[in-house]
Order: sequence, then structure tokens, then C-alpha cells
Amino acid sequence: KQEVTQIPAALSVPEGENLVLNCSFTDSAIYNLQWFRQDPGKGLTSLLLIQSSQREQTSGRLNASLDKSSGRSTLYIAASQPGDSATYLCAVPNYGQNFVFGPGTRLSVLP
Amino acid sequence: GAVVSQHPSRVICKSGTSVKIECRSLDFQATTMFWYRQFPKQSLMLMATSNEGSKATYEQGVEKDKFLINHASLTLSTLTVTSAHPEDSSFYICSARAAGQGYNTEAFFGQGTRLTVV
Repeated sequence: KQEVTQIPAALSVPEGENLVLNCSFTDSAIYNLQWFRQDPGKGLTSLLLIQSSQREQTSGRLNASLDKSSGRSTLYIAASQPGDSATYLCAVPNYGQNFVFGPGTRLSVLP
Repeated sequence: GAVVSQHPSRVICKSGTSVKIECRSLDFQATTMFWYRQFPKQSLMLMATSNEGSKATYEQGVEKDKFLINHASLTLSTLTVTSAHPEDSSFYICSARAAGQGYNTEAFFGQGTRLTVV
């Protein structure tokens, strides 16, 4: 059974710092991994989708890397801003096409 | 990108009543939609898989008679919480992939529904 974990659970940083969020999964036989952002009381915003054949994906200040063999992915956020404050979730598709989500990292960027 | 619309975004109901939540794929057809539940400060957990034209598949521990799922068309799935109780208060969110798309494609999520049972 696939399990996804994320560390740290929470992170508070001053504006401008570069951040690393970590995601681990137990079953390395994944098709892809997706990073999402969730604002309080809101739905999910897809940030990056990284395929199993890829090692990284970039979108603006975000960069996601994937090491499938070790069961790890990292999300780098460059030059963090207060608007980046949210919960970041990583998820991998299950064989039934649903997602298995990590518990999330709650990020707070202080002005 | 593809859009999944979920309605209502927020609902407050009395204990014992039923609430229907709709999930629509606006610009693509989805043979399968997924319903997740998120309790405060917890991650999303799959409740059930909704299949167009057939019965939904429920995860272990989810009561199928309490959480009724209907997927009557390729663009609409509904989740009805029957005889709601305060412990059903949660954030419910649906997702869908376009029909015929495999595991390597992006899934899209609705905006979520905050259910509060008083």
C-alpha cells in the first residue's frame, strides 16, 4: 500500500528565503508525482506534475525534483514571498487512478 | 487547463438532513471521478470512486448508504450525505481525469465543499 509522507510538517521563514519541502513515498512504481497548493478553506491548485521519466520540472520560482528509485521528491521555492503562505501537498496516483496524498507542509512566509 | 466545478462551496445543515454536492467537469468528459474528504489539519483521504453508469466503489470504512454517489453522465457526479451528523462536518473535494487519459496525465480538482452540520 502506497504511503506518502512530508517533512517538515510546518515551516515559518522570513520573506526572501529559498525553501525546500520534502516528500517521500514507499512504492517507487509510480507514474508521476504532483505537487499542489492549498490555501486555508480552499481547494487544490496544481503546481507541478513531474513524470516518472523526468528528474525535474520548473515553473517560475518553483522547481520540483524526483528521485523515483529512492522514493523522494523535493519542491524548491526560490525567493519566498508572503503570498506563498499555504499548505503544500504532494500526491502520487494509485493504481485506481486516485491520488494518495501526503499530510502536507504548512508554510508561513513572514513579511 | 481543464476545469472541474464543485457546488456548493459551503453549506451548513441541520443534523438529520441530507446534503447534495455536485462535481462537474466543464470542458472534458470523465468516466471516473473521485471523492475525497479532509478533516481539519489532516490530508485528503479517498472516500469513493465514482464510475459513470455503474456503482461507486467505496473505501474501507466509508458507509455507502450514508454517502450516496451518483455518476449519471460523463460530466457530473454527485455525493449526497444522508442523515448528516456533526461528525460528518468536513471538507469534501472531487477530482477527475479526462476519459481515456492514463495515469501519466494531470488530474483536476474541484474547489471543495465545506460542510458544517449543526
